[in-house]
Amino acid sequence: AQKITQTQPGMFVQEKEAVTLDCTYDTSDQSYGLFWYKQPSSGEMIFLIYQGSYDEQNATEGRYSLNFQKARKSANLVISASQLGDSAMYFCAMREGRVTGGGNKLTFGTGTQLKVEL
Amino acid sequence: ETGVTQTPRHLVMGMTNKKSLKCEQHLGHNAMYWYKQSAKKPLELMFVYNFKEQTENNSVPSRFSPECPNSSHLFLHLHTLQPEDSALYLCASRHELAGITGELFFGEGSRLTVL
Repeated sequence: AQKITQTQPGMFVQEKEAVTLDCTYDTSDQSYGLFWYKQPSSGEMIFLIYQGSYDEQNATEGRYSLNFQKARKSANLVISASQLGDSAMYFCAMREGRVTGGGNKLTFGTGTQLKVEL
Repeated sequence: ETGVTQTPRHLVMGMTNKKSLKCEQHLGHNAMYWYKQSAKKPLELMFVYNFKEQTENNSVPSRFSPECPNSSHLFLHLHTLQPEDSALYLCASRHELAGITGELFFGEGSRLTVL
């Protein structure tokens, strides 16, 4: 089974509207972290937001917020007031286990291509 | 300019060629990673180095040979590749001991095409 599932290959949103990108995850670890990255056409993966499994409040970073529903194992990204520059691929990722320790690898989903329209 | 620099940005090679991808991070990190990104597939972790020591080899074929001479530099040596190896190769780094999140910092990738 996939550890990270992003069911929306592509999404369209109008400028200034909010959009939700879905992400579900699968892990048996109690300690884990969830990440969202943005990948514009240049290729670089840009870190957006992080949610720890023990964090009781949803993470927010500017126009980005993470809707964390632990029981449902979902970590949806909400982008408010979309801008044309938000058009990019968005990846959900998970770190299993604690932050410290060797490796700390991230497992990624297949991504969602977001297109912001005028 | 990002803190993680990858060269070359684009590479075309034949199946019998030998080439190398280079990654350099200017962030003082001590863990470095190679990921492969193919179309419509999740990023695949290839190799992880912590303090110059390889800690992860994700069953990568031997035609890919990593090298980490110091904590700031990471290479991926390529030889006798196959067309299915064509992909975007992303380098990332992280500070092993810092930060609560442990996020990775990525370069812009090297787009490899194998003819």
